[in-house]
Amino acid sequence: QSALTQPASVSGSPGQSITISCTGTSSDVGGYNYVSWYQQHPGKAPKLMIYDVSNRPSGVSNRFSGSKSGNTASLTISGLQAEDEADYYCSSYTSSSTPLVFGGGTKLTVL
Amino acid sequence: QLQLQESGPGLVKPSETLSLTCTVSGGSISSSSYYWGWIRQPPGKGLEWIGSIYYSGSTYYNPSLKSRVTISVDTSKNQFSLKLSSVTAADTAVYYCARLVVVTGGLDYWGQGTLVTVSS
Repeated sequence: QSALTQPASVSGSPGQSITISCTGTSSDVGGYNYVSWYQQHPGKAPKLMIYDVSNRPSGVSNRFSGSKSGNTASLTISGLQAEDEADYYCSSYTSSSTPLVFGGGTKLTVL
Repeated sequence: QLQLQESGPGLVKPSETLSLTCTVSGGSISSSSYYWGWIRQPPGKGLEWIGSIYYSGSTYYNPSLKSRVTISVDTSKNQFSLKLSSVTAADTAVYYCARLVVVTGGLDYWGQGTLVTVSS
């Protein structure tokens, strides 16, 4: 069982916007602004898309945005494109004995 | 451009020790701004953080694996390594090495991953 909870799957049509949630506790997501999001295509390594809740690394499309409210972080992808179809994982710094925890992952399907 | 490359056996027998090395190129492993970590992903499943090491040798391990894991660093070779003892089939996974930004834990550079199968 993952420390952070994500929906197993989400879907959307090209051009639409979708949001993926990542729910934790006050010891991780809610307690620190250190949430990251990763995109993983089949057979590939994960790619950092968002760090520190809402910051995008250089080269990541501004269609990707992150936010947080309480113990839940969210990744929003606007203007969905076929290439966005992938698995998405959140992670957070945590004050528990495990400094880094992941969510279980969300499969995004572009219809 | 920073690059990370995992290397090691792709097949390990049950009860033996899994050993992998990550070679870092295009940057120094001795930077004070980063940790270096191992993450694994069983086939068809999600990501699991194994542990991290600082260039000074300080380590953090996933408590669920701590009794079997050792991560070490060789700054002279710009490498860090993973040893996982007493492996079982449940340890079969793609193993990734990655760079962690200090404090935030964002993993900004990843190796391509290497599949390790535990089987006799």
